[in-house]
Amino acid sequence: DTGVSQDPRHKITKRGQNVTFRCDPISEHNRLYWYRQTLGQGPEFLTYFQNEAQLEKSRLLSDRFSAERPKGSFSTLEIQRTEQGDSAMYLCASSKRAGSGNTIYFGEGSWLTVV
Amino acid sequence: AQSVTQPDIHITVSEGASLELRCNYSYGATPYLFWYVQSPGQGLQLLLKYFSGDTLVQGIKGFEAEFKRSQSSFNLRKPSVHWSDAAEYFCAVGAGNTDKLIFGTGTRLQVFP
Repeated sequence: DTGVSQDPRHKITKRGQNVTFRCDPISEHNRLYWYRQTLGQGPEFLTYFQNEAQLEKSRLLSDRFSAERPKGSFSTLEIQRTEQGDSAMYLCASSKRAGSGNTIYFGEGSWLTVV
Repeated sequence: AQSVTQPDIHITVSEGASLELRCNYSYGATPYLFWYVQSPGQGLQLLLKYFSGDTLVQGIKGFEAEFKRSQSSFNLRKPSVHWSDAAEYFCAVGAGNTDKLIFGTGTRLQVFP
């Protein structure tokens, strides 16, 4: 049973460029989550999917952030017109089912540095 | 609003010593509670979780945690720390469900030989 896979693990980009991160959840997990973690802080919830449906996106940090999960399998998180404040680790997680009694498994994260 | 407080930013212990990491939460009903561990530059690994039932839960790597409703606490313990336990530890709460976890700011554990 492979874990949650994220790509790329590290990304350095110039301010104003767009970046995209990919997440492959654990097989058969139909819930997929994105979190952001800045230095010295705990992860912060951004958005999540049930299969291909995005159930909440109000926590996405601005309209420059968007996420998709087109076929209910892998997901992408895109940040447009990156800013230095976007530098953080972006964590993807997945779980098998919804709601209570739900264990969330995290990937290794994608580090973003905006210069 | 739900919140999690980890009062200790940094803890240093000697190898073989006992460990207790504190976690306090704010939530009106019974929460879902988790402890995760994060090694430098890595993702989070689940150590243990509490959903209901026995308030003392056992996890991986010899860790345990006790849910105390009266104190709104879920402290993590280990009787004898190993050098490989050095990492960042996060307490998290799921309020009502576990879809949107709220994390504390973490406690960094340093272990001296």
